[in-house]
Amino acid sequence: NAGVTQTPKFQVLKTGQSMTLQCAQDMNHNSMYWYRQDPGMGLRLIYYSASEGTTDKGEVPNGYNVSRLNKREFSLRLESAAPSQTSVYFCASSPTSGGTDTQYFGPGTRLTVL
Amino acid sequence: RKEVEQDPGPFNVPEGATVAFNCTYSNSASQSFFWYRQDCRKEPKLLMSVYSSGNEDGRFTAQLNRASQYISLLIRDSKLSDSATYLCVVRGWGAGSYQLTFGKGTKLSVIP
Repeated sequence: NAGVTQTPKFQVLKTGQSMTLQCAQDMNHNSMYWYRQDPGMGLRLIYYSASEGTTDKGEVPNGYNVSRLNKREFSLRLESAAPSQTSVYFCASSPTSGGTDTQYFGPGTRLTVL
Repeated sequence: RKEVEQDPGPFNVPEGATVAFNCTYSNSASQSFFWYRQDCRKEPKLLMSVYSSGNEDGRFTAQLNRASQYISLLIRDSKLSDSATYLCVVRGWGAGSYQLTFGKGTKLSVIP
């Protein structure tokens, strides 16, 4: 099993450009998440999807949109990229969204906005 | 007060040493607790969950003190491969019980 996969691995954008980060999991998990990680900061939740068909805002949702395309796939879109969105983006999934369920992370997308 | 606080380190220890990391969390209603490990430029991976009674996995021991809102991780007989950043993670409370809150991490370097 591949686990959680993310594309692309690296991306450079100019301010104002848009892009979509893709995430897929093959573990039949119900819940999926998008985080960003900045130097000197802990991981911060952008959006999550507790189950197929639902999405909710996390701690830092401004400037992002998400789509839970199906049970496997959860995409993150930047409509108009800003330098403040330069970060490493991690997608994660878990069997459910509560309890002691472990979250499994993808390898990350390193995004630079110039 | 920050929600999950950790000493950022770095902790530089020789091989074979015992090292302990501490973490405090701000909300007494937190439900679940974890230690994740993150290697340089890699994704976080679960090291172990932390249970109220304390738990051990090989060289790793985790403890939870709910009264003091304090979590610890003890690594015995440190190996070079233990070099990483260790993230203290707390699951949210109430309406936020879906959410994991991550500490900024404690960096460990094990030296030959």
